Amino acid sequence: AAGVIQSPRHLIKEKRETATLKCYPIPRHDTVYWYQQGPGQDPQFLISFYEKMQSDKGSIPDRFSAQQFSDYHSELNMSSLELGDSALYFCASSLLESERSWELFFGEGSRLTVL
Amino acid sequence: GENVEQHPSTLSVQEGDSAVIKCTYSDSASNYFPWYKQELGKRPQLIIDIRSNVGEKKDQRIAVTLNKTAKHFSLHITETQPEDSAVYFCAASITGNEKLTFGTGTRLTIIP
Repeated sequence: AAGVIQSPRHLIKEKRETATLKCYPIPRHDTVYWYQQGPGQDPQFLISFYEKMQSDKGSIPDRFSAQQFSDYHSELNMSSLELGDSALYFCASSLLESERSWELFFGEGSRLTVL
Repeated sequence: GENVEQHPSTLSVQEGDSAVIKCTYSDSASNYFPWYKQELGKRPQLIIDIRSNVGEKKDQRIAVTLNKTAKHFSLHITETQPEDSAVYFCAASITGNEKLTFGTGTRLTIIP
């Protein structure tokens, strides 16, 4: 079965550079979530989109922005990168119009390293 | 917002023994409580979940109990095996706002 696809899987950037992470949800899923997981930390919610509109916002820095496109894929844009942005970024998707609307399906994650 | 606390942060048990991890949540509106297993560098994998209309759920060696009045829920793993070694996260969410709030994680080590 198709899963959530994230790219790139690994990314190395310098401080003050920009990075873009992509997420392709499970086909027909209408909601995408982004999480940031620092080393040894629990995943922290950043932002979510439902039907291409931002549905919720968590601890996402102002330097970050995200959007969901017409094909339901989502991109997380991170600018002016800082060392503390080094983390594993997970995307998850769900289908709100389903019997298990609450279940999130996670991608493999994108590991960002800022040097 | 929701706050989820998880204990213990580390847990070591002998192979074959049981392991129990406990979580408490703050928002009484939360009604979905999944448990995830995460191996190093991998994505969280859903291992069991429970909704607030159920007090207990079991799937082979894994069970979850929920006390909605006390706002706490627990993961029980019986007959532990070395492959159970991982970090386990509890989480909570509210139907209609499916954003998960995670606990701080428990590193479970099974001693052969």
